[in-house]
Amino acid sequence: EVQVVESGGGLVQAGGSLRLSCAASGFTFNRYWMSWVRQAPGKGLEWVANIKKDGSEKYYVDSVKGRFTISRDNAKNSLYLQMNSLRAEDTAVYYCARGTYSGSSYFFDYWGQGTLVTVSS
Amino acid sequence: DIQMTQSPSSLSASVGDRVTITCRASQSMSTHLNWYQQKPGKAPNLLIYAASSLQSGVPSRFSGSGSGTDFTLTISSLQPEDFATYYCQQSYSSYTFGQGTKLEIK
Repeated sequence: EVQVVESGGGLVQAGGSLRLSCAASGFTFNRYWMSWVRQAPGKGLEWVANIKKDGSEKYYVDSVKGRFTISRDNAKNSLYLQMNSLRAEDTAVYYCARGTYSGSSYFFDYWGQGTLVTVSS
Repeated sequence: DIQMTQSPSSLSASVGDRVTITCRASQSMSTHLNWYQQKPGKAPNLLIYAASSLQSGVPSRFSGSGSGTDFTLTISSLQPEDFATYYCQQSYSSYTFGQGTKLEIK
């Protein structure tokens, strides 16, 4: 059974840092791109970052470039998101999601339960 | 950036109704369009990928269509468990989601 489980969320002051982790199981982790997607309270979904299977390519939404860093450890089947210079607008539930490409689209087929990050100003 | 606009933003319907949700892209994107269902306090769940392909395990009452800029998600006969929020997502240029459509019980 495919599972992704996030951890590391919590309350942090504006300007602070937090590192999220995602533990994957039930699939061959190093064969998939992985992403972080967030959802602010009562709002919609926003893709944050993704990383290639071998970690050689990383992409970010403009609002987090230079502040967030996505990484992975394929030996540990784990995905990470280092978040620095946090702002109140980064407050959200952060989801780890597996990405799959199917010829004409790239989609997120497995999601974790999410971890809440609250940035106090 | 590609903008995704869903309509309606909210919808009231009854069990057994046929429901259609629309997603319009700000530029043409072939069939790089996916649909998700999200229930309160839960992670999104993939329903449809590549505009019209049904994800494994998803009931056949869900269907998707469209290409280019206009896409639809149709639920043929609403069931009680279908009341949720639905999102479209494009993957043609980076990844963006629509603002969501909240489907409520009438």
